[in-house]
Amino acid sequence: GAVVSQHPSWVICKSGTSVKIECRSLDFQATTMFWYRQFPKQSLMLMATSNEGSKATYEQGVEKDKFLINHASLTLSTLTVTSAHPEDSSFYICSARGFGERYEQYFGPGTRLTVT
Amino acid sequence: EDKVVQSPLSLVVHEGDTVTLNCSYEVTNFRSLLWYKQEKKAPTFLFMLTSSGIEKKSGRLSSILDKKELFSILNITATQTGDSAIYLCAVMKTSYDKVIFGPGTSLSVIP
Repeated sequence: GAVVSQHPSWVICKSGTSVKIECRSLDFQATTMFWYRQFPKQSLMLMATSNEGSKATYEQGVEKDKFLINHASLTLSTLTVTSAHPEDSSFYICSARGFGERYEQYFGPGTRLTVT
Repeated sequence: EDKVVQSPLSLVVHEGDTVTLNCSYEVTNFRSLLWYKQEKKAPTFLFMLTSSGIEKKSGRLSSILDKKELFSILNITATQTGDSAIYLCAVMKTSYDKVIFGPGTSLSVIP
């Protein structure tokens, strides 16, 4: 099946700094990538949808200036958490969808962010 | 507002039992319903259901969708400890292929 990777798998940063998370589709071209956030014992919450070459569409309540998403190529999307705060600590998961009939999303392994 | 509801939220069974997990939804522009299994990291895909009444099967897991009543069930027969996980139901919309996840059912299978 299709493989999606994320880097880093975990990161600890100080409050006020910025963190970039990469999401790559390794063996297919991803026309659309999705970014989710998951707090402990909760379900995945969609943050934004990004299509290659265009601006991301953010869900209600997600600050676009705080969570910068770039989808510059068909295999790479990045999420930058700017001026991170402890409440941004969470599990961030990306998924990617390629061409094809099934429109199945393939999930990355996730990135655990801890802001101290 | 779009909504995906799952029940039960948690369940403990013994190995060998059969379980049924429920998912109901209220969304506009429905395209498909998806089931995922999440262990320690990201979810892994189980099924995608688009048509009513057609059962999808993979080993001991099976699932069916009822688009009239807006629900789906996921059955697991002869459960094993390796089935312990959170099972997520999600609905894919036609617009931007947006996927909305339910809260999940936490299944624990004890020996």
